[in-house]
Amino acid sequence: GENVEQHPSTLSVQEGDSAVIKCTYSDSASNYFPWYKQELGKGPQLIIDIRSNVGEKKDQRIAVTLNKTAKHFSLHITETQPEDSAVYFCAASIRVDYKLSFGAGTTVTVRA
Amino acid sequence: SAVISQKPSRDICQRGTSLTIQCQVDSQVTMMFWYRQQPGQSLTLIATANQGSEATYESGFVIDKFPISRPNLTFSTLTVSNMSPEDSSIYLCSVEAEKLFFGSGTQLSVL
Repeated sequence: GENVEQHPSTLSVQEGDSAVIKCTYSDSASNYFPWYKQELGKGPQLIIDIRSNVGEKKDQRIAVTLNKTAKHFSLHITETQPEDSAVYFCAASIRVDYKLSFGAGTTVTVRA
Repeated sequence: SAVISQKPSRDICQRGTSLTIQCQVDSQVTMMFWYRQQPGQSLTLIATANQGSEATYESGFVIDKFPISRPNLTFSTLTVSNMSPEDSSIYLCSVEAEKLFFGSGTQLSVL
């Protein structure tokens, strides 16, 4: 089955700086790569996703890049704000309506 | 997107009892999933809830422990049976509505 590895496990950044989280996956059949943000006591919230026919996608301060050859994808958060502090999960699936395999999560702390 | 309501939001249960968690979606969806998130951990798929047929369970999860119902395209239940403290986790419902969305989860503590 799919194995997703996520790094780093914790990330502390100064407000206004950028944060980068990296994930690798094992199944070359995976084509759908969402990112979720989870705040304490809440369910995961989808923040951005990318499909295999696209190399990069951006939504305001958030961007995701995908390298299918190397089987890795990354989340970039620019101009970080305190409200960006949360746990972020990457995931992979062969398609959007199929089960997800999750990374272990990254706890992001934005220092004011 | 889809609006997902999950009940209860949290519960404290005694060892040996069972709890049924409900997931209601505001629109008809084909795919519904149940995930478990153990304390401080990532999400693990328990099963895919199939409408009109038995759920499809992942390795390590069995129907006797986690029976699932899916009577229609907007509703599903997950029961955690004969609970032990090791079942203390967050249980999450997920649906596919062009993208995969999650409910707010059920925080279960077993004493």
